[in-house]
Amino acid sequence: DQQVKQNSPSLSVQEGRISILNCDYTNSMFDYFLWYKKYPAEGPTFLISISSIKDKNEDGRFTVFLNKSAKHLSLHIVPSQPGDSAVYFCAGSANAGGTSYGKLTFGQGTILTVHP
Amino acid sequence: DSGVTQTPKHLITATGQRVTLRCSPRSGDLSVYWYQQSLDQGLQFLIQYYNGEERAKGNILERFSAQQFPDLHSELNLSSLELGDSALYFCASSPPGTGLQYFGPGTRLTVT
Repeated sequence: DQQVKQNSPSLSVQEGRISILNCDYTNSMFDYFLWYKKYPAEGPTFLISISSIKDKNEDGRFTVFLNKSAKHLSLHIVPSQPGDSAVYFCAGSANAGGTSYGKLTFGQGTILTVHP
Repeated sequence: DSGVTQTPKHLITATGQRVTLRCSPRSGDLSVYWYQQSLDQGLQFLIQYYNGEERAKGNILERFSAQQFPDLHSELNLSSLELGDSALYFCASSPPGTGLQYFGPGTRLTVT
C-alpha cells in the first residue's frame, strides 16, 4: 500500500528554467507535507513544508503547492540551478495527538538533473 | 549540518552477528525516528520514540529493537543479521509540536 507516490522517477531540466516535481497521496489523515533533497549515501535535507490548511508555501526559489481535493502536491524550483541536481522526496505526516507527530511516509523519489 | 549525529558512519559485519547503531537528536528534540533505506526501496519507517517511550512501530523485524535513553539519545539494535539487512539506516529528530523531522547522516550497514 503505497500511500505517497512520485510517478516520475526522473526529471531533466535546463539551468534557469522551472523544475516541477509532483507527488500524489492517498491517506486523508495526512495534515503536513514535506519535501526533502537527498544525495547518495547522505541523510535527507529538509527543503520546504506545507500544512494542510494552506495551499501554497514559498521559500526563496522553492514553492510547494497543495491541492487537497486532488490529494496532490508539487514542488516548483525557479530558477533551477545545477546544484539542485539530487533526489527529491515528498513525504506526508499525520498529527499523532499532543506534541508528537507520527512517522513520515515517503514517496519513491524523483531524480532531478539540471543541465548547465 | 542538521544537528542530528549518528555513529558509526559505516559498519561491515558478517551474517548472524549483532550490531548497535547510535543516534543523538538535536538539542531540545524529544522525538527520535528510525528509518531504513534499502537499495531498491524508499525510506521505510521502523520505529519512533518520544521522551524515552516507544510511540509507534513500522515494519520493524523482531530481530531489531531500539530504545531511547534518559539523555534522549537512541540506539537501534540489529541481531541475527542477514544479507538483506544491508542498507542505510537513518535516524531523525523532531521538535515538540511539529511534524518537521531533521535527519542524521546515516549509518551504512553492509552484511557479508
